[in-house]
Amino acid sequence: AQTVTQSQPEMSVQEAETVTLSCTYDTSESDYYLFWYKQPPSRQMILVIRQEAYKQQNATENRFSVNFQKAAKSFSLKISDSQLGDAAMYFCAYRGGDNNDMRFGAGTRLTVKP
Amino acid sequence: ETGVTQTPRHLVMGMTNKKSLKCEQHLGHNAMYWYKQSAKKPLELMFVYSLEERVENNSVPSRFSPECPNSSHLFLHLHTLQPEDSALYLCASSLIPGQGYEQYFGPGTRLTVT
Repeated sequence: AQTVTQSQPEMSVQEAETVTLSCTYDTSESDYYLFWYKQPPSRQMILVIRQEAYKQQNATENRFSVNFQKAAKSFSLKISDSQLGDAAMYFCAYRGGDNNDMRFGAGTRLTVKP
Repeated sequence: ETGVTQTPRHLVMGMTNKKSLKCEQHLGHNAMYWYKQSAKKPLELMFVYSLEERVENNSVPSRFSPECPNSSHLFLHLHTLQPEDSALYLCASSLIPGQGYEQYFGPGTRLTVT
């Protein structure tokens, strides 16, 4: 079964600085999708960024980018120019190509210090 | 506002009660999901519905009974729950199940079983 591991339960970053959240996964599939979701306190979970495994180019969305290392099964999220509104739980997730099942990591709580 | 609503937002019930959680999506999606989010544990997928047909059931106890009367509505019927069932229950929807389609989450129902 596919597993997703987030080894950093908590992280903190100074406002305007850069932070990287780690995620590794275990799979035998070649076709899959990876996601980072953000869950602010008492607010709905929203998608931050998505990566298709067949794409070699790392996905970027404004201040958010990923470092996708397929061979190492690593999918880290980099947040540049951190803002107070970035404070949230961040979840890494994996989904197989034709699989209905989405596997989530345990999450990393990010604190942004002013 | 992600277009997925859940009611009630908070629920306290005894172990002998019967209650239902409701989810509604206004996005025209064809797939809907129930997740359980417990403290310090990864998000657990419970059920997946595609065009009102259940396509995934991840070994969930029978005291949780889902119902999907149409592609816009999803219910989770609860009966004779245990204290360990206390958690945040999240509903999500996506255009279709599987592949890389984004899931849109509701705000969740915070369930406490006494």
